[in-house]
Amino acid sequence: EVQLLESGGGFVQPGGSLRLSCAASGFTFNNYAMSWVRQAPGKGLEWVSTISKSGDSTYYADSVKGRFTISRDNSKNTLYLQMNSLRAEDTAIYYCAKDYNFESHANWGQGTLVTVSS
Amino acid sequence: QTVVTQEPSFSVSPGGTVTLTCGLSSGSVSTSYYPSWYQQTPGQAPRTLIYSTNTRSSGVPDRFSGSILGNNAVLTITGAQADDESDYYCVLYMGGGVKVFGGGTKLTVL
Repeated sequence: EVQLLESGGGFVQPGGSLRLSCAASGFTFNNYAMSWVRQAPGKGLEWVSTISKSGDSTYYADSVKGRFTISRDNSKNTLYLQMNSLRAEDTAIYYCAKDYNFESHANWGQGTLVTVSS
Repeated sequence: QTVVTQEPSFSVSPGGTVTLTCGLSSGSVSTSYYPSWYQQTPGQAPRTLIYSTNTRSSGVPDRFSGSILGNNAVLTITGAQADDESDYYCVLYMGGGVKVFGGGTKLTVL
């Protein structure tokens, strides 16, 4: 059974940093691209970033480009999202997702809440 | 800026059939956008229903189907049940690793 467990969320002040992790199990991690998707309170889903299965290709939404960095450690079956220069509008639940290639998401974690506020 | 469009809300009677659409603010949706569909109930993580236009994700009942109809991708739910009451999101793949979510459709079963 595919399991994705996010961690690292919390409360941070504007301009601060946070690193999210997603521990994966139940599938061959290095065979799949992975993504982060977020959902602001009361709003819809927003794709944030995707990383290739090897980690050598990364893609970002314009809203986070230059501030967020996606990475993975295939030896630890773990996906990361380093978030810098955080803004109030980054407040959201962040979901980790296993992808079907690059085009769509297959499985989802339960999410971790990030709150950016002074 | 590409906008993926969905009906904000829709209602269906129990046992009825509903078709939700996913379009583009400019242009037509084709299979080249690999449309996918996700269901989300309040307080829960999303669940994948359909990917690559019409392929059901594992465990999804065949009451859910996807296709291209005219200029849009569509999700059709037949024999609607009370627990189908959820938010439904489509995603279009824009190429270059970029995916865009639609704004979501809130489906009411009554």
